[in-house]
Amino acid sequence: GQQVMQIPQYQHVQEGEDFTTYCNSSTTLSNIQWYKQRPGGHPVFLIQLVKSGEVKKQKRLTFQFGEAKKNSSLHITATQTTDVGTYFCSTGTASKLTFGTGTRLQVTL
Amino acid sequence: NAGVTQTPKFQVLKTGQSMTLQCAQDMNHEYMSWYRQDPGMGLRLIHYSVGAGITDQGEVPNGYNVSRSTTEDFPLRLLSAAPSQTSVYFCASTPGAPNEKLFFGSGTQLSVL
Repeated sequence: GQQVMQIPQYQHVQEGEDFTTYCNSSTTLSNIQWYKQRPGGHPVFLIQLVKSGEVKKQKRLTFQFGEAKKNSSLHITATQTTDVGTYFCSTGTASKLTFGTGTRLQVTL
Repeated sequence: NAGVTQTPKFQVLKTGQSMTLQCAQDMNHEYMSWYRQDPGMGLRLIHYSVGAGITDQGEVPNGYNVSRSTTEDFPLRLLSAAPSQTSVYFCASTPGAPNEKLFFGSGTQLSVL
């Protein structure tokens, strides 16, 4: 199956700083999903991207899907303590999603 | 709607014991799946189902069995627990294409001693 690599594994920022996590694949992806998992919680769906070059925004979060559909990024502007958690990218169909290893974000005041 | 309900939330087993992790969803989703989450390894697919009566293996199926007798329920059975099965287990469901959004249960933290 398709594999996705996520970087960085961990990032620690001061509140108000920006944050970006990247998801990369050696093969063309049919789609990308992004999930957020709070500490001790379960993954929660954020968004799905399917089109080449697609950009979607949710308040302070900006999601991009690369032109070649081999990479994606999640950018958070002006982080807040509520952004703490692990962000996962995934790809595949409903029955078989492959997840990246996640980026753990820590935000301090 | 309750969404996806998993029980139990915590479980401790001894090596060799068997148990069933329960998963139920009330959203009439065709697709259901089980993932395990280990530190630094993301979520890995154990088994999945595309509808009642249909199941298939995922990335890490060894030591686990599943069945899907109804649309709502998708239990995961550990046949003979091993310490390597210590993990957090998540059940998920989705209606499928075009939106591949997974709805996750709250998880089961399993320790095998």
